[in-house]
Amino acid sequence: KQEVTQIPAALSVPEGENLVLNCSFTDSAIYNLQWFRQDPGKGLTSLLLIQSSQREQTSGRLNASLDKSSGRSTLYIAASQPGDSATYLCAVRPQKYGGSQGNLIFGKGTKLSVKP
Amino acid sequence: DAGITQSPRYKITETGRQVTLMCHQTWSHSYMFWYRQDLGHGLRLIYYSAAADITDKGEVPDGYVVSRSKTENFPLTLESATRSQTSVYFCASRLTGANEKLFFGSGTQLSVL
Repeated sequence: KQEVTQIPAALSVPEGENLVLNCSFTDSAIYNLQWFRQDPGKGLTSLLLIQSSQREQTSGRLNASLDKSSGRSTLYIAASQPGDSATYLCAVRPQKYGGSQGNLIFGKGTKLSVKP
Repeated sequence: DAGITQSPRYKITETGRQVTLMCHQTWSHSYMFWYRQDLGHGLRLIYYSAAADITDKGEVPDGYVVSRSKTENFPLTLESATRSQTSVYFCASRLTGANEKLFFGSGTQLSVL
């Protein structure tokens, strides 16, 4: 069974610092991995989607990498800002366990706090 | 406005009552999903739908019913609410395809007393 783990559960950094959020998954047979952002009391917003054939994706100050063979992904945030404070979740779409077509398996998230 | 909308935003009900949570999307996405989010469990799939009139169970379907008579709507009904169904419920949708992004609604916070 595919499992997704995010460590740490919470992270606090000073403004301006570059930081890395980690995501690991147990089965490398995936279609893609997505990173989401969730603000308190809000829904999830998709940040980046990395297909299984890709190594990384970039959007502005965000860069996500994927090492499928080792079951790891990182989300790099450059020059962090207080507005980046949120919970970041990663999710994989497994190729197996296809009973739930298109189902994403989510990690529990990393709560990021960027202090001014 | 275009997008995916959920209603109500907040709901308080009593055990044993029937509750329906609404989800509407304007993108004509084929796939729609219902998740619940709980501390300690993260996001778990309740039901999903691949198209109108096609629905299937997810990880935690017991106590829930869905329907999809129109592509744009995907209501979730709690037939007889229980305290364990107190949660935040999210609806999501996406296009068909292996690498399509998933888009979420703002959620419904449900409390069952």
